[in-house]
Amino acid sequence: EVQLLESGGGLVQPGESLRLSCAASGFTFSPSEMNWVRQGLGKGLEWISFISPGANTVYYADSVRGRFTISRDDAKNSVYLQMNSLRAEDTAIYYCARKIVGTTHFDYWGQGILVTVSS
Amino acid sequence: HSVLTQPPSLSGAPGQRVTISCTGSSSNIGAGWGVHWYQQFPGTAPKLLIYDNNNRPSGAPDRFSGSKSGTSASLAITGLQAEDEADYYCQSYDNSLSAWVFGGGTTVTVL
Repeated sequence: EVQLLESGGGLVQPGESLRLSCAASGFTFSPSEMNWVRQGLGKGLEWISFISPGANTVYYADSVRGRFTISRDDAKNSVYLQMNSLRAEDTAIYYCARKIVGTTHFDYWGQGILVTVSS
Repeated sequence: HSVLTQPPSLSGAPGQRVTISCTGSSSNIGAGWGVHWYQQFPGTAPKLLIYDNNNRPSGAPDRFSGSKSGTSASLAITGLQAEDEADYYCQSYDNSLSAWVFGGGTTVTVL
């Protein structure tokens, strides 16, 4: 069974940093493209970051580029999101999601983790 | 605002057919990128419902179907059931933004 389990969320003040982790199981992780998608409370979905197999290619949404960094550790079957200079508008539930190479849809999602940025 | 446009809400009686529209542009749906649909219940993660315009993943009920034409796509629910009450999101890829994009979501209410 495919499972994605996010961790590392919490309450931080504006300007602070947080690192999210997503542990994968139930599938072969290293050839998978991994993403982070967030959802503001009561709002819609927003894709924010992508990482290719081998971490050769990374992409970011304009809203987080320069502040967030995606990475992966295939030995630990995990993908990470380092979030710096956090703002109130980054408050959201953050999901990691798998995408198969050659497709454009997200076939499996984690349960999500809440990040709250507030003073 | 979202790159893909969906109606915020719609409703239908049990057994009815309802259709959710998803309108994009020449840089996403109109560029030939596939349209995908997700179902989300309150407090849970989105779940893939339709991929590549009209394909259902294993386990998705066959009362859900998708279509695409030009710069728009639709999700149809035939024989609406109480358990279909949820939020539905369309998604595609946008050439101009170099980003995966979502619609704003549609809340379906079963009367």
